[in-house]
Amino acid sequence: ETGVTQSPTHLIKTRGQQVTLRCSSQSGHNTVSWYQQALGQGPQFIFQYYREEENGRGNFPPRFSGLQFPNYSSELNVNALELDDSALYLCASSFPGQLYGYTFGSGTRLTVV
Amino acid sequence: AQSVTQLDSQVPVFEEAPVELRCNYSSSVSVYLFWYVQYPNQGLQLLLKYLSGSTLVESINGFEAEFNKSQTSFHLRKPSVHISDTAEYFCAVSEDFGNEKLTFGTGTRLTIIP
Repeated sequence: ETGVTQSPTHLIKTRGQQVTLRCSSQSGHNTVSWYQQALGQGPQFIFQYYREEENGRGNFPPRFSGLQFPNYSSELNVNALELDDSALYLCASSFPGQLYGYTFGSGTRLTVV
Repeated sequence: AQSVTQLDSQVPVFEEAPVELRCNYSSSVSVYLFWYVQYPNQGLQLLLKYLSGSTLVESINGFEAEFNKSQTSFHLRKPSVHISDTAEYFCAVSEDFGNEKLTFGTGTRLTIIP
């Protein structure tokens, strides 16, 4: 068990729709990052949240947004889905002060049709 | 901007043979370097990392990597592979000490041949 749980595991959406992906971290993990992994590619950094505030963002448009909650859960929201948004979305969390001590979840596979 | 190049997309190796997975990075500042492994239908697991100190870092399952600053490389090696090593391996770099953002390479699929 990794300690980071993502839901759902698989999801199919239609172009133009909105989607919410969820991540539940271990207690105390107050830093969470989201990555997008397209098929055959390495993960790309979307953004990071620390103590419920955005703390860095990658090269993704504003239709990608996030939330982090006091109970160590977080969400990734994507509006106006495009076909290229089809990917594995990974959540990674860590304890404060644990330098690069990320624990990754198993991901949500999003397919946009 | 930082970037990572993994020169081999696929590496087939016979069981018990040695393997080297290549990784080169580009950065204008000091970096931290990582190797992650991804088994089918799973997330990423940290294999080893270089933050400071000895340039040779080792994992608990026999892998090692050496940070070579002059060649901007961080190649991963194992002297004798096992079937269970079959997986996708990602090299990553971070130069942003603030939010610990990772930049990944495109991955190398290691296939062990019995």
